[in-house]
Amino acid sequence: DIQMTQSPSSVSASVGDRVTITCRASQDISSWLAWYQQKPGKAPKLLIFGASSLQSGAPSRFSGSGSGTDFTLTISSLQPEDFATYYCQQANTFPRTFGQGTKVEIK
Amino acid sequence: EVQLVESGGGLVQPGGSLRLSCAASGFTFSRYEMNWVRQAPGKGLEWVLYISSSGSTIYYADSVKGRFTFSRDNAKNSLFMQMNSLRGEDTAVYYCAREATGYFDLWGRGTLVTVSS
Repeated sequence: DIQMTQSPSSVSASVGDRVTITCRASQDISSWLAWYQQKPGKAPKLLIFGASSLQSGAPSRFSGSGSGTDFTLTISSLQPEDFATYYCQQANTFPRTFGQGTKVEIK
Repeated sequence: EVQLVESGGGLVQPGGSLRLSCAASGFTFSRYEMNWVRQAPGKGLEWVLYISSSGSTIYYADSVKGRFTFSRDNAKNSLFMQMNSLRGEDTAVYYCAREATGYFDLWGRGTLVTVSS
């Protein structure tokens, strides 16, 4: 199975800050990577697919980059509604696997 | 409205069974691959099952293989998951999720399954 490792596990930031979350795959997944946002008690929402493509309806302050084994999600200017947990997911092979999540908290 | 609605969750004893359903609306269900993803209380996301658009191909996570089965009825825009031999570690919110080339672009609100005596 492909292991997905996110860092950090949590980050404290202020509104307006630039936030970067990384995700590392245990083997080459090309660009088969997605990022999701999940708020407490809610289902996850797809933000980024194909490592860098913005999902329809997702704000443009979210961007993704990377390929192979190392990937990054960047929030260019953190907004109040962005405080949530973020997960990466590989879509290269079955079983699909997720990172453990990164919680973005208010500083 | 484009949506997925799960149902069938509840409290079940260890070793028991439960059948979850997912009703799709607002899109052409028969064209999409579908999945179940679960989330234990306070934990991360775990992919559980995949089914192709026709229902001819199914993949299972090792954690549920041999215990869970998966089916779909495209005429009724519905997805089903039969969960047998349930264990405490199966306690989770179960989400059905529409797949778009490997990514989950539409999720239901989830249904909670609690396995406890």
